[in-house]
Amino acid sequence: DAKTTQPPSMDCAEGRAANLPCNHSTISGNEYVYWYRQIHSQGPQYIIHGLKNNETNEMASLIITEDRKSSTLILPHATLRDTAVYYCIVRVAAGGGSNYKLTFGKGTLLTVNP
Amino acid sequence: SAVISQKPSRDICQRGTSLTIQCQVDSQVTMMFWYRQQPGQSLTLIATANQGSEATYESGFVIDKFPISRPNLTFSTLTVSNMSPEDSSIYLCSVMGRMNTEAFFGQGTRLTVV
Repeated sequence: DAKTTQPPSMDCAEGRAANLPCNHSTISGNEYVYWYRQIHSQGPQYIIHGLKNNETNEMASLIITEDRKSSTLILPHATLRDTAVYYCIVRVAAGGGSNYKLTFGKGTLLTVNP
Repeated sequence: SAVISQKPSRDICQRGTSLTIQCQVDSQVTMMFWYRQQPGQSLTLIATANQGSEATYESGFVIDKFPISRPNLTFSTLTVSNMSPEDSSIYLCSVMGRMNTEAFFGQGTRLTVV
């Protein structure tokens, strides 16, 4: 399985952009990068995913390097409610056909400070 | 999106007993997964629940300890058998969305074994 490496923790000031890095140097050409977050005592929440191109949605932006060996999740205006563990995951095939599974690493604890 | 209901939300069980956790989805899904999250740790995939066939277990997990049922496309159960205090964890059900592009998670079952 393609592995991901993330810093264990980061701090960000409220209202500023939070940039969360992830290394996935063994990613294969057809494997997607996913980001999830888990707020304390809740199930993980989907944020965004991408393959090659940069992606943006209402929650965040995902910047993937040209060689696809790393990516950055950007929360443009962090709020206190964005304090959570953020997981960068490479989605891998599971069995045949279009089946996939998500393998979680340790993630980054983002703390947004007032 | 998919709405996932897990029952029970929490339980305290005696060692040596078994607990069955239910996962109900509000729509038909192809892929359902069971994860374990030990205290202070990330999520670990236990198995993929396959409809109409035996579950596919990850390394370190066996059917005798974690039997799984998947009678239809909206429901699955995970049983934690012959429990010990080391089984105290949060158990989460997850499903892949219709397009297999994102996974949705239940709120989890918090199990304490005494």
